[in-house]
Amino acid sequence: DVKVTQSSRYLVKRTGEKVFLECVQDMDHENMFWYRQDPGLGLRLIYFSYDVKMKEKGDIPEGYSVSREKKERFSLILESASTNQTSMYLCASSSWDILNNQPQHFGDGTRLSIL
Amino acid sequence: AQRVTQPEKLLSVFKGAPVELKCNYSYSGSPELFWYVQYSRQRLQLLLRHISRESIKGFTADLNKGETSFHLKKPFAQEEDSAMYYCALRDSNSGYALNFGKGTSLLVTP
Repeated sequence: DVKVTQSSRYLVKRTGEKVFLECVQDMDHENMFWYRQDPGLGLRLIYFSYDVKMKEKGDIPEGYSVSREKKERFSLILESASTNQTSMYLCASSSWDILNNQPQHFGDGTRLSIL
Repeated sequence: AQRVTQPEKLLSVFKGAPVELKCNYSYSGSPELFWYVQYSRQRLQLLLRHISRESIKGFTADLNKGETSFHLKKPFAQEEDSAMYYCALRDSNSGYALNFGKGTSLLVTP
């Protein structure tokens, strides 16, 4: 069974802090994704990566950056946290097996509060 | 740009009643569509993918290209079906990320 592990379930930080959210997957998946989930807005893509050291902006990348130094790990970085970044953050991974319509597998999420 | 629309934020039905969660999409190519479900305090998980044409937990979804819809249906709702349901379209322009609808909260009451 695919395991996507996010390092923290709950996190409280202060405005202006640099925040790191970590995600690790154990299925050797090529693709990894960061979404934020907000009530009434669904899930929105922040960044994704399809290979080590590769990253691409999603729909709402402003105020975020990412790092993928190893295939299994994908980190989301809030450069200077602001209150509007209070949200649930979801990490996901998938294989590159597009032909077989492989789904994404999600972590439990990190509920981040910025005070 | 791809778009997924789930017109209902909340759907409330009685146990044993049929349920249909609506999903419409706009996409210029050949769509790859999924339904994901999130039960209370659990992670988001795959429910159905259109290519499999499967039935999971009694749910089915048929892709209707003419109406650009992928509605999720179940003939007899159960209380344990209460959850948040998201329709998603795979985006070939974003590393095959998922473009999600805003979700429909299904409440099945006894």
